[in-house]
Amino acid sequence: EPEVTQTPSHQVTQMGQEVILRCVPISNHLYFYWYRQILGQKVEFLVSFYNNEISEKSEIFDDQFSVERPDGSNFTLKIRSTKLEDSAMYFCASSDAGRFNEQFFGPGTRLTVL
Amino acid sequence: DQQVKQNSPSLSVQEGRISILNCDYTNSMFDYFLWYKKYPAEGPTFLISISSIKDKNEDGRFTVFLNKSAKHLSLHIVPSQPGDSAVYFCAASANSGYALNFGKGTSLLVTP
Repeated sequence: EPEVTQTPSHQVTQMGQEVILRCVPISNHLYFYWYRQILGQKVEFLVSFYNNEISEKSEIFDDQFSVERPDGSNFTLKIRSTKLEDSAMYFCASSDAGRFNEQFFGPGTRLTVL
Repeated sequence: DQQVKQNSPSLSVQEGRISILNCDYTNSMFDYFLWYKKYPAEGPTFLISISSIKDKNEDGRFTVFLNKSAKHLSLHIVPSQPGDSAVYFCAASANSGYALNFGKGTSLLVTP
């Protein structure tokens, strides 16, 4: 069964450093998403991406964040200068169409900022 | 802002019985609702969804009920099995976009 994969599973970084989280969405999917879950809190939407551009983003997704689809298979989330409060589980998701279609989630990358 | 609320952080049910998980929402623009199941160290797994034009959707042991006037939905699992033990998230999206708004989750424990 096709699945969304994410690497690395755990990333530890120093405050102020740049990190890139990587995702390989399901191959025939067209819509891509990033969410995060801070420990003890709910899963929060960050950004959606379609046709090589951002289609929607939340207030959390400020200038420190960027997304890219560098080739036909990868989808990345970059945090330019990490802060302590960026420590969270980051989930990538994809769907084969936009609305009224379920989003399939990857296993997540745990980001720890020291 | 808690637009999707799951007021029960945990629920314990005996194997074979019905599990009922509840979810309330505040945003009247929500028109698509989903339930996800999550095991530790894994991502959320899609279970079942319902659009606002329906009031019930069934898939095997899982049924979702939507009461639009009360802004309430529920997930019924019948019969419950020990493998159903997980955290269940209710999520909703508005007709303005693709973002899923999640509740905080309900931890279900099904005991033998």
